[in-house]
Amino acid sequence: GAVVSQHPSRVICKSGTSVKIECRSLDFQATTMFWYRQFPKQSLMLMATSNEGSKATYEQGVEKDKFLINHASLTLSTLTVTSAHPEDSSFYICSVHPPSGRTDTQYFGPGTRLTVL
Amino acid sequence: DAKTTQPTSMDCAEGRAANLPCNHSTISGNEYVYWYRQIHSQGPQYIIHGLKNNETNEMASLIITEDRKSSTLILPHATLRDTAVYYCIVKGTGNQFYFGTGTSLTVIP
Repeated sequence: GAVVSQHPSRVICKSGTSVKIECRSLDFQATTMFWYRQFPKQSLMLMATSNEGSKATYEQGVEKDKFLINHASLTLSTLTVTSAHPEDSSFYICSVHPPSGRTDTQYFGPGTRLTVL
Repeated sequence: DAKTTQPTSMDCAEGRAANLPCNHSTISGNEYVYWYRQIHSQGPQYIIHGLKNNETNEMASLIITEDRKSSTLILPHATLRDTAVYYCIVKGTGNQFYFGTGTSLTVIP
C-alpha cells in the first residue's frame, strides 16, 4: 500500500492566492521530509528539506518566503505556495525519509498538480 | 553528490531484457547508487540501490563496475508497464536526492 500520501492531487487557483499542499507519512514517523518541483518534460528539482520541529532547509535559488514549509508533526509536512503566479504551475512531489535503522530508501508521494490561472 | 550521466532515451522490445546504463565517474567511496523510475504524472518509484556489490530484487538487477564509475540497471523481461523515465542517482552521506535528467524507456510491443 501507499507509504506517502499527498493532498490535494490537483488544484487550480487564481493568481495571487495561496495554496497549501499536504504530505503525510502513512507507514512510519518521519523527522525528515523533502519537497520537489517538476516542470513539464523536466526532472525533479529538490526545493527544500523539511525538518520536524525546526526550520526547513531550502536549496539555493528557492525563495523561503514564497514556499512556506511547516513540519508540525512526525507524519505531516505542508508546503504553502504564497501569492501564486502562473509560473508556479508545476507538479509538486514530497518524499519521506524513514527513521535511521530502516532502509535508506526514500519514499515518494503521488504528487500534486498545481495550475495557477 | 556525484553527477550522473544517462542516455536520454532507449527502446526495448517487450519480453526482452532492458539494460539501462549510468555513468557516475566522480562517485566517492561512501556514495550509493540508487535507481528510481517515474511513470507519467506519478511520484518516483524505488527500484534498487547498491554500493559496490551487484544487487538483485524482484524488480531488477543492478550491476556496478569494479571501479564503481558506472552501473547498469537490468529489467530482465520488460513489459509495457515498464515504460517510464528511469533515474540513476548517487547519494552521499546526506539524505537529499538530486535527480538528473534520466532515461526515457519505451517498451515496444
